[in-house]
Amino acid sequence: EIVMTQSPATLSVSPGERVTLSCRASQYISSNLAWYQQKPGQAPRLLIYGPSTRATGIPARFSGSGSGTEFTLTISSLQSEDFAVYYCQQYHDWPPLTFGGGTKVEIK
Amino acid sequence: QVQLQESGPGLVKPSQTLSLTCTVSRGSINSGGYYWTWIRQHPGKGLEWIGYIYNSGSTYYNPSLESRVTISVDTSKNQFSLRLISVTAADTAVYYCARGGTTVAYWGQGTLVTVSS
Repeated sequence: EIVMTQSPATLSVSPGERVTLSCRASQYISSNLAWYQQKPGQAPRLLIYGPSTRATGIPARFSGSGSGTEFTLTISSLQSEDFAVYYCQQYHDWPPLTFGGGTKVEIK
Repeated sequence: QVQLQESGPGLVKPSQTLSLTCTVSRGSINSGGYYWTWIRQHPGKGLEWIGYIYNSGSTYYNPSLESRVTISVDTSKNQFSLRLISVTAADTAVYYCARGGTTVAYWGQGTLVTVSS
């Protein structure tokens, strides 16, 4: 099973700042990575896959990059509605799908 | 767009069976090519993929749960179900039903199941 590791666990950011979240796979996963956003009390929402294709309705301030084992999710200018937990997920060697432990983006 | 809604008991006793149903609306569960999936999230923790049923028949389960889990489908009701036997407190979680294979674009709202006597 491929283990996904996200860093940092928590990120304190001010609105308007640029945010970079990291995700590392325990082995090669090519470009088979997705990112999700989860707000309290809600189901996760698919943001990005492939690893740079935005899902339907996702604003352009969200972008993804990387390949192999290292991946990044960038939010170009953090909006108030972006404070949430972000998860990465690999689908290179599936099933099963495996998720990272999440990065919480909180208000500074 | 497709909508999913979980239902089932919110409290299950240890050693008993957890049973949840997901009702699919605005789409047919018989539509080919979709993976109907269950995912859970322990309180304050990350996401754990449980398994799927595909094309109303093929199933795959997370090896960590395989000996205790069954996913089935009832096409007449446009529903699919999760059954987890011999539960313990470690199975306390929010359970999500979803549609998706490699990526999961459609999720139910989730239902909290607590295992406690």
